[in-house]
Amino acid sequence: DAGVIQSPRHEVTEMGQEVTLRCKPISGHDYLFWYRQTMMRGLELLIYFNNNVPIDDSGMPEDRFSAKMPNASFSTLKIQPSEPRDSAVYFCASNTPASGVNEQFFGPGTRLTVL
Amino acid sequence: EDQVTQSPEALRLQEGESSSLNCSYTVSGLRGLFWYRQDPGKGPEFLFTLYSAGEEKEKERLKATLTKKESFLHITAPKPEDSATYLCAVHSNQAGTALIFGKGTTLSVSS
Repeated sequence: DAGVIQSPRHEVTEMGQEVTLRCKPISGHDYLFWYRQTMMRGLELLIYFNNNVPIDDSGMPEDRFSAKMPNASFSTLKIQPSEPRDSAVYFCASNTPASGVNEQFFGPGTRLTVL
Repeated sequence: EDQVTQSPEALRLQEGESSSLNCSYTVSGLRGLFWYRQDPGKGPEFLFTLYSAGEEKEKERLKATLTKKESFLHITAPKPEDSATYLCAVHSNQAGTALIFGKGTTLSVSS
């Protein structure tokens, strides 16, 4: 298996622009998580899905952030409009707790820089 | 509120100098404690899961232990390739299936 795939790996954009981050989870995994990692706050959960349905979005910082999962193999995290304080590394992770282990498998991340 | 605190923030060791990393947690019902390793520019990589106090897991030079309030990641005779950030995370009864992560300990091992 190729693991969790994220694109792009790096994104540099101007303040006010729309940014879309993409994630393909591991095939067969029914949970998908979006995290943000910064030096100050560490790894923070933004939102997670179960069977394509958003379960908990309490970590989404504000209305500028939105996430969708149109099918089991694809999810997007969108920031509109972007601000410099959104600069961070965004990770997608997936798992299937039905296996009895809650281990999450992480993608390589997208490093976002908002100028 | 569920909380995870890791210490120290950074640790520098000489090759072969054993030490321990600490993860203290406060949760409303622990369902599992996880250790991850993160290399620069990469996503966290799973190391261990511990479920109950007294449990221990080992992998090469790493051993993770768990008590009712904290977990330790013991590193025996570390090598430079063990240099990474080590993250601790907990799965609690209140968090659904989500994990709550500590900020990590960055380990540097010099030869």
